[in-house]
Amino acid sequence: GQQVMQIPQYQHVQEGEDFTTYCNSSTTLSNIQWYKQRPGGHPVFLIQLVKSGEVKKQKRLTFQFGEAKKNSSLHITATQTTDVGTYFCAGRWENTGTASKLTFGTGTRLQVTL
Amino acid sequence: NAGVTQTPKFQVLKTGQSMTLQCAQDMNHEYMSWYRQDPGMGLRLIHYSVGAGITDQGEVPNGYNVSRSTTEDFPLRLLSAAPSQTSVYFCASSRTGHNSPLHFGNGTRLTVT
Repeated sequence: GQQVMQIPQYQHVQEGEDFTTYCNSSTTLSNIQWYKQRPGGHPVFLIQLVKSGEVKKQKRLTFQFGEAKKNSSLHITATQTTDVGTYFCAGRWENTGTASKLTFGTGTRLQVTL
Repeated sequence: NAGVTQTPKFQVLKTGQSMTLQCAQDMNHEYMSWYRQDPGMGLRLIHYSVGAGITDQGEVPNGYNVSRSTTEDFPLRLLSAAPSQTSVYFCASSRTGHNSPLHFGNGTRLTVT
């Protein structure tokens, strides 16, 4: 089946350092969404990317969608302890038969220490 | 608005028992889905529904049944629990099944012994 590969699985940074997580699909995505899950919590929607080459920013977070719509990244500038959690990408493919299925990557767990 | 409500929060079952995980949303969302979350495996789609009376299978449907008799409710039934079904289960809904963000419930932590 269609999958989204996400790397790294885990990253530990010092507060103030930058962080990036990457997602890749072998086939063209229809759109990609990003979620954050705090420890012990549930996933919370961050953003959706739809257009080829799209870049969106939310304060210190920058989201990119590749030109071929097969990859995406989330970059956090100057991490803070409040950024701790697991970040998931989730994709839908252009095959209309699976348009309603949102498939999640395995997530990147971010740990931030002072 | 309560959003997406899941019950129970915790459940322990013995192998072979059956039970139903409840999920209700009050946002009039068309799309509802069930995911299970296991360490290192992300969230895997069990079943989903694009509207009342319509359900379909996700990646890992075996051992689970769903129904969608109303827009608000989307219960998940475990027919005969197995230890491999020990997991955290999340129900999620969205306005439509295409470009809308998912709203998640708080999850049910299920242990099967």
